[in-house]
Amino acid sequence: DADVTQTPRNRITKTGKRIMLECSQTKGHDRMYWYRQDPGLGLRLIYYSFDVKDINKGEISDGYSVSRQAQAKFSLSLESAIPNQTALYFCATSSPRGGVGDEQYFGPGTRLTVT
Amino acid sequence: AQSVTQPDIHITVSEGASLELRCNYSYGATPYLFWYVQSPGQGLQLLLKYFSGDTLVQGIKGFEAEFKRSQSSFNLRKPSVHWSDAAEYFCAVGEGNTPLVFGKGTRLSVIA
Repeated sequence: DADVTQTPRNRITKTGKRIMLECSQTKGHDRMYWYRQDPGLGLRLIYYSFDVKDINKGEISDGYSVSRQAQAKFSLSLESAIPNQTALYFCATSSPRGGVGDEQYFGPGTRLTVT
Repeated sequence: AQSVTQPDIHITVSEGASLELRCNYSYGATPYLFWYVQSPGQGLQLLLKYFSGDTLVQGIKGFEAEFKRSQSSFNLRKPSVHWSDAAEYFCAVGEGNTPLVFGKGTRLSVIA
């Protein structure tokens, strides 16, 4: 079984709809992240959480919100989806040892299309 | 501000040829450095990482990378490319307790 899972894997939704992307991990990591990937732009950080009570905005948080329901679960919501949120979304986890080296482990991604 | 640059958007190499993908960074202190690979339709997989010590690091799938502090570079190399290496490659840099910053990626095509 995959260590980092994302649901759904593919989603088509309409402009203005609310949508939630879910991420679960079995790695026991404290830190979790949401990224979006667009062609030519690489990965951009949306939100990150270093523990259950810690939520931080990333580079492109506008139009998104998150919820850290438990150590293992981190959800990303689009309150009112718009077409330019069409992208590939990745969840990642990490657990730096002694604060050294924040190696991240990625889920398989969710392809979201907003029409 | 912290930044990571991958100068090459797309590289095409012949199978069996050598490969070098470039990565330059702008950081205040010694960063942690990573290379990830993303095969089509897949998530990102870690190829190798550098935290400290020997500046030449070995990774999976026959890849290696060399940290050159004087050039602020962490270039990825492979002596002989296989068709299965066709993918997108991302350099990432971290410092202290902050999240990684990723480059925009280099797409590698392999021709026969």
